[in-house]
Amino acid sequence: EVRLVESGGALVQPGRSLRLSCTASGFTFGDYAMGWFRQAPGKGLEWISFIRGTPYGGTTEYAASVKGRFTISRDDSKSIAYLQMNSLKIEDTGVYYCSRDAPGKIFDSWGQGTLVTVSS
Amino acid sequence: DIVMTQSPDSLAVSLGERATINCRSSQSVLYSANNKNYLAWYQQKPGQPPKLLLYWASTRESGVPDRFSGSGSGTDFTLTISSLQAEDVAVYYCQQYYNTPSTFNSYTFGQGTKLEIK
Repeated sequence: EVRLVESGGALVQPGRSLRLSCTASGFTFGDYAMGWFRQAPGKGLEWISFIRGTPYGGTTEYAASVKGRFTISRDDSKSIAYLQMNSLKIEDTGVYYCSRDAPGKIFDSWGQGTLVTVSS
Repeated sequence: DIVMTQSPDSLAVSLGERATINCRSSQSVLYSANNKNYLAWYQQKPGQPPKLLLYWASTRESGVPDRFSGSGSGTDFTLTISSLQAEDVAVYYCQQYYNTPSTFNSYTFGQGTKLEIK
């Protein structure tokens, strides 16, 4: 069974940093691209970052709203995807989800999410 | 970025009746090289993560009931629930994933459509 578990969410002050983790199980993690998404309270879904699978170079993409502040990475030996978030802003508040990008499909499995609150 | 616009924003349908949600993209998400529409539909219930319903505009994800169907091509798409069940109450999102080997266009969602029971 595919399982994704996010962790690392917390209450932080504006300007501070936070690292989220997405721990995967039930599939060969290194072969899959992974994405991070977020959902502000009462709002819709927003894609924020993507990292290709190791066979495809592990290259990364970012939404304009986080480019230069957030960094996605992966540790295939631990089956974990990370999201390093720097210079956090109040508008970064929300539930952060990770998801697996299945070949020939799209984001077919999602974690339950972790809450990030940016507030002074 | 490709902008996705859903209509309506909310919808109330009687149990057993048909529900239709529309999604329009600001540019075509049909890739001519493989004739596939890079369009997915998700269902999100309160307090839960999104659940993939359909991809390639009309391919049903494993385990999704066949009352859910998708249609459309290019820039205009529709999600249809043929006979609404109580468990279908949720917010539905369309998403484009028109990222080809030569062009990355991000992954953008529509604003969501809230489906309720009338």
